[in-house]
Amino acid sequence: DGGITQSPKYLFRKEGQNVTLSCEQNLNHDAMYWYRQDPGQGLRLIYYSQIVNDFQKGDIAEGYSVSREKKESFPLTVTSAQKNPTAFYLCASSRGTGVMNTEAFFGQGTRLTVV
Amino acid sequence: AQKITQTQPGMFVQEKEAVTLDCTYDTSDPSYGLFWYKQPSSGEMIFLIYQGSYDQQNATEGRYSLNFQKARKSANLVISASQLGDSAMYFCAMREGTSGYSTLTFGKGTMLLVSP
Repeated sequence: DGGITQSPKYLFRKEGQNVTLSCEQNLNHDAMYWYRQDPGQGLRLIYYSQIVNDFQKGDIAEGYSVSREKKESFPLTVTSAQKNPTAFYLCASSRGTGVMNTEAFFGQGTRLTVV
Repeated sequence: AQKITQTQPGMFVQEKEAVTLDCTYDTSDPSYGLFWYKQPSSGEMIFLIYQGSYDQQNATEGRYSLNFQKARKSANLVISASQLGDSAMYFCAMREGTSGYSTLTFGKGTMLLVSP
């Protein structure tokens, strides 16, 4: 079955440690995205990538980094510079980034808790 | 200014009744798309329905329909014959198109609870 896989589902880290969240898709989509969700805040865009080896900052990129070395993979690193990293992280992909019916497909999410 | 506004933090509806979830948007781009997603307690985001700015008719997908009022910049989701499984968070989102690259901007969501 085609889809987006995020791992792990739950992640615990000590403050000051970098942590990498995995996102893999087998939908052959060009575009991939990372969103952060906090209670009452909706989804906020961290980074997105149109094609391999290219990515752009979203609204809240500070303290995060990404790479897009393969079409299928878009890992997100939460660095120690991120002031408040505890959140629910959602990865998504879409066929493209045009307007016409390019809905995003989402993974199951990773709940990161930093203690 | 917020691009997507969902003014109802929570809504209650009885099973088998219809419910409308409100969404207003703000854009000066003539080309845009509006999306609704459902997020159950498990966390995954499920795409429900899409409306393009140039679509002449309101979108429908099964029990979901979109009441698109372009002049008012509103795109309300209507769920007919509510079911217990409809209890979830619902998010309205928008893509703006003419810049070439676009991303989905989400509202803060509405929590829907369906009671027996």
